[in-house]
Amino acid sequence: QSALTQPPSASGSPGQSVTISCTGTSSDVGAYNSVSWYQQHPGKAPKLIIYEVTRRRPGVPDRFSGSKSGYTASLTVSGLQAEDEADYYCCSYAGSNNVIFGGGTRLTVL
Amino acid sequence: QVQLHESGPGLVKPSETLSLTCTVSGGYISTYYWSWVRQPPGKGPEWLGYIYSSVNTNYNPSLKSRVTISVDTSKNQFSLKLTSVTAADTAVYYCTRDAEHTHGRVFGYWGQGTLVAVSS
Repeated sequence: QSALTQPPSASGSPGQSVTISCTGTSSDVGAYNSVSWYQQHPGKAPKLIIYEVTRRRPGVPDRFSGSKSGYTASLTVSGLQAEDEADYYCCSYAGSNNVIFGGGTRLTVL
Repeated sequence: QVQLHESGPGLVKPSETLSLTCTVSGGYISTYYWSWVRQPPGKGPEWLGYIYSSVNTNYNPSLKSRVTISVDTSKNQFSLKLTSVTAADTAVYYCTRDAEHTHGRVFGYWGQGTLVAVSS
């Protein structure tokens, strides 16, 4: 199973909104509403922020939101703040008790 | 609050077996799904497999022949063994627990990670 496809980088100015895409196939993103998103700061473990496409982990600011259309899931960060600068990874259930991740997107706050 | 902590050698020789242990505090290991996830330097994470209810396991198909995950309930620990390692297995290895009611598909709790290098 191939990794999910994410753009390597994204950027935005403080206060702006940015959307990160995650493209899969009919066997993973397109087949299940089990897409999650993780935020990772340098040298730290990934942190769950969104799961089941749209559900925000308790304690995660409502500036973070998730959606899905067809084979592509998206993470939107609204009202960008400096602390949002990090790597973001999507993850999807891929059937047969298998889970796959994306290659990651580095978000830069300009 | 659940806390996880990985331990094990930071250097393994090619063709040998990588062994790591995860110590869990703040939660019972006999419930929930406990996974190992690795992340090669500069790359995205890769799920290796999970164990739940202490005896049921499921592994990434691409690594299935080399991975074994087991539990020691008396110590509230679970372990990873990866056989016949090569340089491609060099990565930060994380132990994780699933988020509530997600049946192992969502990784809600993570250890701090441990870097394992494969080199002679």
